[in-house]
Amino acid sequence: QVQLVQSGAEVKKPGASVKVSCKASGYTFTSYDINWVRQATGQGLEWMGWMNPNSGNTGYAQKFQGRVTMTRNTSISTAYMELSSLRSEDTAVYYCARVDSSGYYTDYWGQGTLVTVSS
Amino acid sequence: EIVLTQSPATLSLSPGERATLSCRASQSVSSYLAWYQQKPGQAPRLLIYDASNRATGIPARFSGSGSGTDFTLTISSLEPEDFAVYYCQQRSNWPETFGQGTKLEIK
Repeated sequence: QVQLVQSGAEVKKPGASVKVSCKASGYTFTSYDINWVRQATGQGLEWMGWMNPNSGNTGYAQKFQGRVTMTRNTSISTAYMELSSLRSEDTAVYYCARVDSSGYYTDYWGQGTLVTVSS
Repeated sequence: EIVLTQSPATLSLSPGERATLSCRASQSVSSYLAWYQQKPGQAPRLLIYDASNRATGIPARFSGSGSGTDFTLTISSLEPEDFAVYYCQQRSNWPETFGQGTKLEIK
């Protein structure tokens, strides 16, 4: 069965960086794009960007341009999202999600990774 | 970017009742709209894609309709497990955007 398993919770100081991993199993990792979406506590969903695991091509929401980097390691079917220059407003649960075969919608999600930014 | 406005913000109903949730786009998204359900402490789950197609394993009581700028998610007869937050999402234009959510609570 398709699974996306994310790394554990992180606590970071303002100005630091965080790197969240997302290990895929149950399907061919390079055949489906990966989206990253975040959700602040009690708030809605915010799309951050996408990555094509086959080519490594990425696209980032303008809000995160210059601060976010999405990469992958195809040998271990793992995607990564690194966010730099963290501030308190970046405190949120970060999700990776597989984009379905249509290329439009996310059909499987990771369990989420809580990133807390606090001095 | 396209703004999705969901209404109402909160909907209070009883099990067995019919739920109607709305999502309005600031410009046409054709039929490139999805609905997700999210329960506390869980990741979102895809319910409806392309405005009206149920995702795999989604019960028939969930249905979606609409095109262009106005969309509706209908739950024909609420089950206890349906009380959650529902989000719409558009994939017509870059960047993809979500609505702010509708909380469906037990009356």
